[in-house]
Amino acid sequence: ETGVTQTPRHLVMGMTNKKSLKCEQHLGHNAMYWYKQSAKKPLELMFVYSLEERVENNSVPSRFSPECPNSSHLFLHLHTLQPEDSALYLCASSRATSADTGELFFGEGSRLTVL
Amino acid sequence: RKEVEQDPGPFNVPEGATVAFNCTYSNSASQSFFWYRQDCRKEPKLLMSVYSSGNEDGRFTAQLNRASQYISLLIRDSKLSDSATYLCVVNKASWGKLQFGAGTQVVVTP
Repeated sequence: ETGVTQTPRHLVMGMTNKKSLKCEQHLGHNAMYWYKQSAKKPLELMFVYSLEERVENNSVPSRFSPECPNSSHLFLHLHTLQPEDSALYLCASSRATSADTGELFFGEGSRLTVL
Repeated sequence: RKEVEQDPGPFNVPEGATVAFNCTYSNSASQSFFWYRQDCRKEPKLLMSVYSSGNEDGRFTAQLNRASQYISLLIRDSKLSDSATYLCVVNKASWGKLQFGAGTQVVVTP
């Protein structure tokens, strides 16, 4: 059982919908991340939060809006998405406030389909 | 040029055989290196870090060649359960900047 849980696991939405992805980590970590994984492409870092403060915004379109209310929870709010946004969205956490250890703990992902 | 490049495969490997594959990285200032494993429809998980002197973890051996800017992973005595996509990960030494490769698929066959 993973220490990082994501809901929903699957989401289908229209381009005009508003939805949110939720991530919760039970590992006591200080940093949380959102990654996008498209088929046959490398994971793309979207956002990084350290101690609830956003430290990285990797030129992500404003139709993706992250929220980190505390160190255990991370949300990704979605609105007016495009079909090319269909992908697997992975949440991860790490122990340290830097990625030097290289050990990210991932959730199982939320598979998003935009119609 | 991609920052982290991997042969996508698939590498079809008979059970019990050895398989090895590389990953090249473009940033010579990269400081740390890792292999992650991702099973089909699952999340990536850290397999092992890659140290300058090379390191082993059971049947898995990782090597780093800084001069040629590549890392390698070798799997000995392949098991069916080794079938997965292996992701090369490079740390650019700035906050959160882990760069992932697109992965190398390994399929171990009976």
